[in-house]
Amino acid sequence: EVQLVESGGGLVQPGRSLRLSCVASGFTFGDYAMSWVRQTPGKGLEWVSSISWNGGTILYAGSVKGRFTISRDNAKNSLSLQMNSLRPEDTALYYCAKGGTTSCFSRLDVWGQGTTVIVSS
Amino acid sequence: DIQMTQSPSSLSASVGDRITITCQASQDITKYLSWYQKKPGKAPKLLIYDGSNLETGVPSRFSGSGSGSVFTFAISSLQPEDVATYYCQQYDSVPFTFGPGTTVNIK
Repeated sequence: EVQLVESGGGLVQPGRSLRLSCVASGFTFGDYAMSWVRQTPGKGLEWVSSISWNGGTILYAGSVKGRFTISRDNAKNSLSLQMNSLRPEDTALYYCAKGGTTSCFSRLDVWGQGTTVIVSS
Repeated sequence: DIQMTQSPSSLSASVGDRITITCQASQDITKYLSWYQKKPGKAPKLLIYDGSNLETGVPSRFSGSGSGSVFTFAISSLQPEDVATYYCQQYDSVPFTFGPGTTVNIK
């Protein structure tokens, strides 16, 4: 069964850091691009960041560029999102999602259940 | 950034009805559009990709069409389990923007 399991969410003060992780199983992780997408409370979906199959292409939304860093370890079937200088507007449910191809420019065909990040003092 | 709009923002229809949702991009995105189904407390589910390709395992009552900047999503015969919010997303250019969503309910 193809599965993505996120972890690392929690309550954090503004300006602090948090690291999200996503562990994949049931498919050849290194063959696909991966992404993070978030859903803010009561609102819709917002794409955050994507990384290609080998890490050669990394893309960010403007709202997180310079603060968030996406990375992957294909040997460990894992995806990470290092979030620094967190702001209240980063409060959201963060989803890890598998791309349909090696490229970041692709559909998201498998999603995890999400991990919640709350940024508040 | 490419802006995505969806219409209507919500709709109610009877079981068995055909419903359609329109997604419009602020510029040409060729065919690079997906449709996702989102139910409360559940992860989004891919239904349609590249504008009109049905994802494996998705019932054939779901369909997508369009290219360029205007796309249409349809459910040919609405079922109770289709109550959800539906989002389009473009992946033609960064940032990969989502539409605001269309909430579908049963009348």
